[in-house]
Amino acid sequence: QQPVQSPQAVILREGEDAVINCSSSKALYSVHWYRQKHGEAPVFLMILLKGGEQKGHEKISASFNEKKQQSSLYLTASQLSYSGTYFCGTERRLNNNDMRFGAGTRLTVKP
Amino acid sequence: SQTIHQWPATLVQPVGSPLSLECTVEGTSNPNLYWYRQAAGRGLQLLFYSVGIGQISSEVPQNLSASRPQDRQFILSSKKLLLSDSGFYLCAWRSPGTDTQYFGPGTRLTVL
Repeated sequence: QQPVQSPQAVILREGEDAVINCSSSKALYSVHWYRQKHGEAPVFLMILLKGGEQKGHEKISASFNEKKQQSSLYLTASQLSYSGTYFCGTERRLNNNDMRFGAGTRLTVKP
Repeated sequence: SQTIHQWPATLVQPVGSPLSLECTVEGTSNPNLYWYRQAAGRGLQLLFYSVGIGQISSEVPQNLSASRPQDRQFILSSKKLLLSDSGFYLCAWRSPGTDTQYFGPGTRLTVL
């Protein structure tokens, strides 16, 4: 039930782009993306509820392909502040209280 | 606005000692509440969730327990801690019928 994230880690230079993928073996109702800085709690970035929906948050956007049960997080023109571990959380139904998180993708942005 | 508190922020406990972690939410009523554990360098594991006072669902069998004595209070307990209980414990909440889940600041537990 736990979604699979890839890659496990990525290192970028400032200004470069990155894509983080999240896939599930089960049909999904929603995909949630969080960013966690070292030693801190995860911070909510965005949620995707419909197949094919795309959302944006500053220069971070995401897509959700309901048929493929996949979501991708796009970070464009990365900034130093984007460094952290990104988690996707998936749910199969609203109010099912069954959100499961991937193992995370560690993103490091260097000057 | 809603806020979520956890305490203590850090805790060092010997093996075999009891545990009590507290989580409270302000600014909302009848939230769904969750306890997660994150081992060092790992993902988030759902331990318990609650949809109302006295209602607890357990996701993972272990030596931990949870209670919800008040609407906006969620407590994680153990009678005897194990070394494997070390980790970062996160409380989260969401309003019923909504989709977004928010995390508290967390408690870092070290069992020696």
